[in-house]
Amino acid sequence: LAKTTQPISMDSYEGQEVNITCSHNNIATNDYITWYQQFPSQGPRFIIQGYKTKVTNEVASLFIPADRKSSTLSLPRVSLSDTAVYYCLVGEMGYGNKLVFGAGTILRVKS
Amino acid sequence: DSGVTQTPKHLITATGQRVTLRCSPRSGDLSVYWYQQSLDQGLQFLIQYYNGEERAKGNILERFSAQQFPDLHSELNLSSLELGDSALYFCASSATGDYMDEQYFGPGTRLTVT
Repeated sequence: LAKTTQPISMDSYEGQEVNITCSHNNIATNDYITWYQQFPSQGPRFIIQGYKTKVTNEVASLFIPADRKSSTLSLPRVSLSDTAVYYCLVGEMGYGNKLVFGAGTILRVKS
Repeated sequence: DSGVTQTPKHLITATGQRVTLRCSPRSGDLSVYWYQQSLDQGLQFLIQYYNGEERAKGNILERFSAQQFPDLHSELNLSSLELGDSALYFCASSATGDYMDEQYFGPGTRLTVT
């Protein structure tokens, strides 16, 4: 499984766009990139998944450059309720493997 | 609400005891995953079942065991409990056995071993 590196923490203000970058230099050809969000004392929640270029859903966008060695989760116009830990995970679709959650990025949104 | 239910919500027990945590997956999901989250270890994958069969194993201690029943609910059994087993235990489910499929996490069971 590819190792990922994310900032330990980030601070932002309500209404701003937040970009969290994850480095995965040894990503394999068949690996996908997935982001989960976790609030205190709750289970993680799937945010978005992508393979290359850009993916957008109702809550976030995921930007993946051509070399795929990094990815950026973009949260538009954050609110206080977006304060959470964000995890970047990389892995190949399939069976018999596992999600490896690192320390994640603690995002604090202030008013 | 993810649709995954876990019982009990809280559990307080003594060292050396045995407990059973229960998980009901989302309707239609065939895979169940168990995770342990402690302050010092973060979120750790324990084990996965798919349609009643063990599919993947992580950092699960020999004192721990799990199973998935024909109705697809799952139980995680923790025995000879130690203080270090105090943690949040999450169950997640997904539609297929592919671990990269979106996993839906339950609210967790907080285990305190005294």
